[in-house]
Amino acid sequence: GDSVTQMEGPVTLSEEACLTINCTYTATGYPSLFWYVQYPGEGLQLLLKATKADDKGSNKGFEATYRKETTSFHLEKGSVQVSDSAVYFCALSRNTNAGKSTFGDGTTLTVKP
Amino acid sequence: GAVVSQHPSRVICKSGTSVKIECRSLDFQATTMFWYRQFPKKSLMLMATSNEGSKATYEQGVEKDKFLINHASLTLSTLTVTSAHPEDSSFYICSAIWTSDGETQYFGPGTRLLVL
Repeated sequence: GDSVTQMEGPVTLSEEACLTINCTYTATGYPSLFWYVQYPGEGLQLLLKATKADDKGSNKGFEATYRKETTSFHLEKGSVQVSDSAVYFCALSRNTNAGKSTFGDGTTLTVKP
Repeated sequence: GAVVSQHPSRVICKSGTSVKIECRSLDFQATTMFWYRQFPKKSLMLMATSNEGSKATYEQGVEKDKFLINHASLTLSTLTVTSAHPEDSSFYICSAIWTSDGETQYFGPGTRLLVL
């Protein structure tokens, strides 16, 4: 079956540092890939997505590229802020499965001033 | 657009009582909604898929008589935790499928349930 593996956290960075959170997936065919962010005490928010190989999703300075050859969708940001502190979830979904998603375990990011 | 709300945001109840949680898609119609449970510092566990006008599909190990789901309209799904016990205390999150692409999920803000 489908699966998503994320880099284990927690990750602690200083403000303005570079961020990479690794995500790899196992799936047949061509799923869509997503990054969600969850701030403390809140639900998940869609951060970015990519629907086909080589697509780059980007939002709020974050970006991730759908790499079919390495089955990866790593999340990157060049300069993090304290407000980026949250839990980040990588997920995949298939249109043919009524949108049912498979989530990674989440990576907690803490950015210190 | 694509806003999903949940109500209540937080509820405390006594053991043995039932609690209803509402999930609404505010600006779009959702034929499919999902209910998740999230334990502290853990990922989301899919409980069930809620389909408008038909019975919900439950994941393995989730008691359908314990967690009643009703998706009576294209903008509302409800989850009722029946005869709640302390072990049902958790963070419950719903999501609705964005109908334009059939796969992007928009999540509600979650409901924190505490059963005493």
